[in-house]
Amino acid sequence: SQQGEEDPQALSIQEGENATMNCSYKTSINNLQWYRQNSGRGLVHLILIRSNEREKHSGRLRVTLDTSKKSSSLLITASRAADTASYFCATDAGNNNDMRFGAGTRLTVKP
Amino acid sequence: DTAVSQTPKYLVTQMGNDKSIKCEQNLGHDTMYWYKQDSKKFLKIMFSYNNKELIINETVPNRFSPKSPDKAHLNLHINSLELGDSAVYFCASSHRGGLNTEAFFGQGTRLTVV
Repeated sequence: SQQGEEDPQALSIQEGENATMNCSYKTSINNLQWYRQNSGRGLVHLILIRSNEREKHSGRLRVTLDTSKKSSSLLITASRAADTASYFCATDAGNNNDMRFGAGTRLTVKP
Repeated sequence: DTAVSQTPKYLVTQMGNDKSIKCEQNLGHDTMYWYKQDSKKFLKIMFSYNNKELIINETVPNRFSPKSPDKAHLNLHINSLELGDSAVYFCASSHRGGLNTEAFFGQGTRLTVV
């Protein structure tokens, strides 16, 4: 069953702007991860945030987690054309820690 | 060296045929997964294997069967292929449990059933 749901489904911005994507989930989690998928390629792990963390940074990426609202956001600052890709959140839930993904946000960064 | 490799990258076959997709990981992970990505890009987990034991098996038709000869390999066999099986199939691996469950994905196998 689907766990994470990203919004918006699609986002188009100009190079240099910031991009914010959101993810909502349904059940309690141990951690939440964000992945990136370039067209025709596999997923690449970006960042993991644990349920006891509220914010995490990695380069131009900033992830927040609000467990009371069961939501997370991914912020990409100073976007580049090369950031064009689909972004997925994934959560592990329950005792088995298996990852469940949403349908992703398709980000287009125009040069 | 490729961490997670799956073959073939493309597979075109007729309805009713039986086909297999192979996956190998050289990361020493103890858990491997198969995901199906449909035309709307939604990723659905199909199977995961931990130390040769099937952990989850979502509502996947029994025409799909994972085979794991060892913990570095998880192959996907599909019998009596149907048009609706057309999708991109991804293999992945990770350490199960622990604090770091980052998964590594293969490049995907685009299956087209005609």
